[in-house]
Amino acid sequence: SQQGEEDPQALSIQEGENATMNCSYKTSINNLQWYRQNSGRGLVHLILIRSNEREKHSGRLRVTLDTSKKSSSLLITASRAADTASYFCATDFAGNNRKLIWGLGTSLAVNP
Amino acid sequence: NAGVMQNPRHLVRRRGQEARLRCSPMKGHSHVYWYRQLPEEGLKFMVYLQKENIIDESGMPKERFSAEFPKEGPSILRIQQVVRGDSAAYFCASGGQVDTEAFFGQGTRLTVV
Repeated sequence: SQQGEEDPQALSIQEGENATMNCSYKTSINNLQWYRQNSGRGLVHLILIRSNEREKHSGRLRVTLDTSKKSSSLLITASRAADTASYFCATDFAGNNRKLIWGLGTSLAVNP
Repeated sequence: NAGVMQNPRHLVRRRGQEARLRCSPMKGHSHVYWYRQLPEEGLKFMVYLQKENIIDESGMPKERFSAEFPKEGPSILRIQQVVRGDSAAYFCASGGQVDTEAFFGQGTRLTVV
């Protein structure tokens, strides 16, 4: 299977703490993308990191990519209750007609 | 610039009926992707279309499912003779140039009763 795998499956933290989610994949990629999905809602694109990039920041988000280990991490700093959602990584595999292969997601609960 | 528009948001069909899901991509985007999400799972790729062409349908079930993206109008995902197992959220995404993010619609939640 080419599916990415996130861990942990579920994470519960207090407001103000940092949340780290990891994603592993299996073959070479063009880029890796992180998305957020609130319960029963659509997907919101968070950040895209290309295969030649190692780290990217966007506001309170920090994404790293280690192509040698075929893994990525998403760090949310100073979490807020509004960050409660499911977080998915999606990989754009090299030569794969641009379709995204998705992991099963990490369910994050930020408690006030 | 409106985002990706999907309709309907919710669709209820009886077993054996047909379901038609519509997706209008973002302005200027010529690539459309359909994904299916079962409860408590991630998204599964179904089909990738450009205007009037199916580029990759490797994720589409062999029977009952079809997709089109005509020259004019929205992309349509059609499911014939729906069964309970078709109940899921169906998401459409559109994209522009290669190696850029895909933008998703709010999804259509299909319930087969």
